[in-house]
Amino acid sequence: ETGVTQTPRHLVMGMTNKKSLKCEQHLGHNAMYWYKQSAKKPLELMFVYSLEERVENNSVPSRFSPECPNSSHLFLHLHTLQPEDSALYLCASSQETGSPLHFGNGTRLTVT
Amino acid sequence: QQQVKQSPQSLIVQKGGISIINCAYENTAFDYFPWYQQFPGKGPALLIAIRPDVSEKKEGRFTISFNKSAKQFSLHIMDSQPGDSATYFCAASLISNFGNEKLTFGTGTRLTIIP
Repeated sequence: ETGVTQTPRHLVMGMTNKKSLKCEQHLGHNAMYWYKQSAKKPLELMFVYSLEERVENNSVPSRFSPECPNSSHLFLHLHTLQPEDSALYLCASSQETGSPLHFGNGTRLTVT
Repeated sequence: QQQVKQSPQSLIVQKGGISIINCAYENTAFDYFPWYQQFPGKGPALLIAIRPDVSEKKEGRFTISFNKSAKQFSLHIMDSQPGDSATYFCAASLISNFGNEKLTFGTGTRLTIIP
């Protein structure tokens, strides 16, 4: 058990669908993150939340919409995605924004 | 461009040998250099990390060597074992204006240890 749980593990969606990725951390951390992992590319930071407030947004397209209702839960709402958005989406948490990251096992997203 | 360049892309090492993965960075403001290990189907996990005020850090069979003047750092895995087979990511962090740690990752090295 990693302490950071992501659901679903796999998701296939069409370009016109709307879906959401869920992340839950059981570590009592104050910061949560969304990363995108594509083959042969560095992990890309998408969003950072600290105490439920968004503090970092790395020029991510508006078709990705994060939501952090409390310090334990993080969502990534998806709509009108493109095939190039297919990737592994990783959630992470840390005690503070300067502390080591704890990653979940990711959601493998395929956009058809 | 705040890049971290990692090499090699893939590495095959015999059991008991030394695995060496190298990273180079450009931004001299980076002040924290972690290595993450990722097994198939799992998320990355912090393996070992170093600050630029020391040249080497060792934890068990894993050692980070850091060369500040060359802006390079490397991971050495001694007595490599099949269970070490994974993808390894180096990273470097820069404290942003918000005081957040913002990790810049390398592209990863897929390490395979053969019997």
